Order: sequence, then C-alpha cells, then structure tokens
Amino acid sequence: NAGVTQTPKFRVLKTGQSMTLLCAQDMNHEYMYWYRQDPGMGLRLIHYSVGEGTTAKGEVPDGYNVSRLKKQNFLLGLESAAPSQTSVYFCASSYGQLNTEAFFGQGTRLTVV
Amino acid sequence: GENVEQHPSTLSVQEGDSAVIKCTYSDSASNYFPWYKQELGKRPQLIIDIRSNVGEKKDQRIAVTLNKTAKHFSLHITETQPEDSAVYFCAAAMYALNFGKGTSLLVTP
Repeated sequence: NAGVTQTPKFRVLKTGQSMTLLCAQDMNHEYMYWYRQDPGMGLRLIHYSVGEGTTAKGEVPDGYNVSRLKKQNFLLGLESAAPSQTSVYFCASSYGQLNTEAFFGQGTRLTVV
Repeated sequence: GENVEQHPSTLSVQEGDSAVIKCTYSDSASNYFPWYKQELGKRPQLIIDIRSNVGEKKDQRIAVTLNKTAKHFSLHITETQPEDSAVYFCAAAMYALNFGKGTSLLVTP
C-alpha cells in the first residue's frame, strides 16, 4: 500500500515547455486534488476531481489542465510553463464523502527558468 | 468560494507552554475542519479534525474547538515539545479543502 505517489519529484523546465505531473493513489479514493505551495501562501487549490471522469476548478486554475481518466490517477498538465508556476505541487486524495482525511503525496518541486 | 484566514503567521513558545492558532472561514456551508502539520521538506499530515455537528474534540495534547455561529475554529496544543515545531494549516471544506496560509510554530527548549 503505497498511498499517494507523485511523479516526478523534481523537475526544471524552460519557459514555454510543457509537462505533465502524475498522481497515483492505491486507496480507492473518489476525491483527488492538486495544490501548489508557495512561501507565505499556504496550500492553494488548483483543480480537483470528485470521481473518475470529473474535474473542477479550484482557486488558481489558470495555466493548468487536469484529467481523471482512471479513478486511481489524476494528471496535472502545464501547456506552456511560466516562471510564476515555479512552486511545490502536492497531490492529495480522500474517500467519497468530503469530510474525511485527505492524504498527501510527497510533493513535486518544479522550477521554471 | 471559501476563504480561510489563519492567525498568527508565526508563533514562538517555550517548551511546556500552550500554543493556540485561530482560523476563520467565510462559507457557512463548510462542514469539515481539519488541521494539518507540515515538517520542513515533508508532506502535510492530518493531526486532528472536527465536523460541524461537534463543538470540541480532543486527542491527547491537542484539541480543536469550533464555533459555527461565529465561523471560527481554533487549535490548542498543551505542554508543547520541541518536536511540535512545524507549520500548521487549518482548512475548511464543503466541496474541496481550502487551506489557511499556515502558522509557523517554534517551540524552544
């Protein structure tokens, strides 16, 4: 039981490049989330999903796209990376009812130069 | 959307003292209020949570109180220890977890 696993752990991108961050969970959770963490800003919600095939925008969705084709995977895409997207990205998942613990992945440190 | 305010942003206490962190939320429909602890370079981990039908919950040295009328909730840590030093985040949820900006707690021996 690995919990929530993020791939990759570190990445450096050039401005304008694209990439996809992968989040995988093996707990059969319905809900999955992508957050970004910046100093002094806490954890800000980018997008989330309440089930396979569904996605919804969070607080800071611009510049990102997501897909939830399989229940266990939640992908975060950056089509054209910008320096403002330099951040630590966390994926999380929880059971179907919202009022249950969210488990976090180990984070992805992304630098856009 | 939900807006969660958290205070203070930094807190320094001596070992053995109590620490209190306060949060307010804006959406009266929020019904779940967890607290997460994040150590340096690590992922956030749940330490305690409370649901809207409960006013107080305690787990050993930590406790959380909720005032739904005033839309605020607080984390209380008693008998603090150096290993309690970390960043603490509150969150409020109806459809997705919305986090406060965090409190950096330093416990000095």
